[in-house]
Amino acid sequence: GNSVTQMEGPVTLSEEAFLTINCTYTATGYPSLFWYVQYPGEGLQLLLKATKADDKGSNKGFEATYRKETTSFHLEKGSVQVSDSAVYFCALSGSARQLTFGSGTQLTVLP
Amino acid sequence: DVKVTQSSRYLVKRTGEKVFLECVQDMDHENMFWYRQDPGLGLRLIYFSYDVKMKEKGDIPEGYSVSREKKERFSLILESASTNQTSMYLCASSRERVRTDTQYFGPGTRLTVL
Repeated sequence: GNSVTQMEGPVTLSEEAFLTINCTYTATGYPSLFWYVQYPGEGLQLLLKATKADDKGSNKGFEATYRKETTSFHLEKGSVQVSDSAVYFCALSGSARQLTFGSGTQLTVLP
Repeated sequence: DVKVTQSSRYLVKRTGEKVFLECVQDMDHENMFWYRQDPGLGLRLIYFSYDVKMKEKGDIPEGYSVSREKKERFSLILESASTNQTSMYLCASSRERVRTDTQYFGPGTRLTVL
C-alpha cells in the first residue's frame, strides 16, 4: 500500500534560518504529492502540491520538488519567520484518490 | 473561499455515550472525509463519501459510522464512545474524485471520552 515517511520532529530554528523537512513516499503508479500546514488551533490547509515528476510546487516562500527517482518531496524555505511555526504534513494521493499522510513535523521558529 | 465547519471545537463525553460529530461544507463539493489525528500518527482516514447516501470505509472504521443525507453535511457517529476514541477529529471536503484535487479541512473537534 501507499505510505509517507516524514522527518521526525520537533524542529526548532532561529528566525531567518534555512528549513528542510524531508519526506519520502512509497506508492504504485503516479501519485500526486502535497504539503499541508496546520497552524495552532486550526485545521489543515494546503501549502503546495505537485502532480507529476519534476514538478515544483511553491507558495509563501516554501518549495518542494517531486523527485520520482528518489521518491522524495522535501519541503524547503530559505528564510523562516516566527509566523511559520506550525505542524507540516506531507501527503500523497494515489490511484484510490485518497490522501495518505505522514506523521507530521512540528516546526518552532524562535525570534 | 471554501468553508468547512464542524459543530463543536471541544467535546467531553462519557464512556458508552452515543456521540455525533457534524460537518458542513458550503462549496457544493462531491466528496467528504472524516479523519482522526493523533500525535505521531498523522491523520488516519475513518470514512469517506463520494455522493449523498454513499459511504465507504477508510483505514480505521471500527467503532464509527457515518451518515450523509444531504450533499453539504457529513456526520460521524460513535455508537458507544470509548476512551481510545479520545482524539482530534477532522472533516474535509473536495470537489472532484481525482488524485490532483485539494482537500479543504475544518478546524477540528477535540473529543475527550472519560
